[in-house]
Amino acid sequence: LAKTTQPISMDSYEGQEVNITCSHNNIATNDYITWYQQFPSQGPRFIIQGYKTKVTNEVASLFIPADRKSSTLSLPRVSLSDTAVYYCLVGETGDSWGKFQFGAGTQVVVTP
Amino acid sequence: EAGVAQSPRYKIIEKRQSVAFWCNPISGHATLYWYQQILGQGPKLLIQFQNNGVVDDSQLPKDRFSAERLKGVDSTLKIQPAKLEDSAVYLCASSLVQDPRKNIQYFGAGTRLSVL
Repeated sequence: LAKTTQPISMDSYEGQEVNITCSHNNIATNDYITWYQQFPSQGPRFIIQGYKTKVTNEVASLFIPADRKSSTLSLPRVSLSDTAVYYCLVGETGDSWGKFQFGAGTQVVVTP
Repeated sequence: EAGVAQSPRYKIIEKRQSVAFWCNPISGHATLYWYQQILGQGPKLLIQFQNNGVVDDSQLPKDRFSAERLKGVDSTLKIQPAKLEDSAVYLCASSLVQDPRKNIQYFGAGTRLSVL
């Protein structure tokens, strides 16, 4: 499995942009990068997925450099409700049928 | 579209007792996962099913944990006997794996187990 490394925690104020960088030096050619969000007492929720360059949806943007050894999740203008744990996942392809390993994630705390 | 359903939401048992958790995945999702999430940690995969076959159970403590997915739909995870260290949230997820590389998992709310 491609191991991922991300900061343990990040603090932000409401209205700011939050950027969480995930390192995945051993990413394989066919692997996609997926980010999940988890609130207390809930299961993780899919946020965004990408393979290269930039992906944007209504929730976030995902920036992936050409070497794909890292990726950055960008949350624009965060609010208090964005306080959550964010997980970066890189899957193993081949025979693993979409096998993914969650790390400890990044705890984002948004304050007024 | 209905999400992943899990029950019960909470369970308190004493050590050495047995417990079972139930999961109903999203309709049509062939892949089903059971995770264990200990407080402060990320989810840890216990077992992965593709239809009713086991794809990966390398991290399932098979001396006490068992899981089945009859008819490739609902699934049950059982712990017998429970230990104190089994206290955790047990999450079920499912995915529509048309391309394993793009696997997006949909999670239930989980079952919080407390072993006393």
